[in-house]
Amino acid sequence: DTGVSQDPRHKITKRGQNVTFRCDPISEHNRLYWYRQTLGQGPEFLTYFQNEAQLEKSRLLSDRFSAERPKGSFSTLEIQRTEQGDSAMYLCASSLARTGLGNEQFFGPGTRLTVL
Amino acid sequence: AQSVTQLDSQVPVFEEAPVELRCNYSSSVSVYLFWYVQYPNQGLQLLLKYLSGSTLVESINGFEAEFNKSQTSFHLRKPSVHISDTAEYFCALWGAGKSTFGDGTTLTVKP
Repeated sequence: DTGVSQDPRHKITKRGQNVTFRCDPISEHNRLYWYRQTLGQGPEFLTYFQNEAQLEKSRLLSDRFSAERPKGSFSTLEIQRTEQGDSAMYLCASSLARTGLGNEQFFGPGTRLTVL
Repeated sequence: AQSVTQLDSQVPVFEEAPVELRCNYSSSVSVYLFWYVQYPNQGLQLLLKYLSGSTLVESINGFEAEFNKSQTSFHLRKPSVHISDTAEYFCALWGAGKSTFGDGTTLTVKP
């Protein structure tokens, strides 16, 4: 399977702990996106990369959140000092930025975070 | 600022009936528009997209959506639904360097 993969699929942590999620995009895709989704709502845009450059970061993203894509391939999303309000599904997507493709995004299965 | 509003949170319909899922958007820049579908226990999948050109776009499984610039809408339609169309449907746009999704419409097809 050559789709977008995310690891872990589920994470349970205690409030105040740090967590890190990984996303592996489709290999030829140069853009990678992170979203957060809570029950009953659509995906909320967090940030995206083109190659290794972080081009956009939502103002909703607090300083406790950081994302990296050091070599322009996989990406990590770290949440420091987790809070119960961080409990959500974290989605990763990738796309090939090319004229005429309209930025069609392919989504991974998500990482479900539960903060106790 | 940009936004996407899906006007119906739940749409129940009987099998073989027509259905319309409504989506309105707001943006100060040109946007691309998308419909994504999420089947139970699966990830988001692209259903169809509007980039430019013909305002009517179609998917391989019988859905279509029409881009209406004057009404800033991108409603999704299917003339005859199947049980297998039961899923969550999300309208989304890409513009100004970011994605914005609606809160989803749950389509439930009953026999």
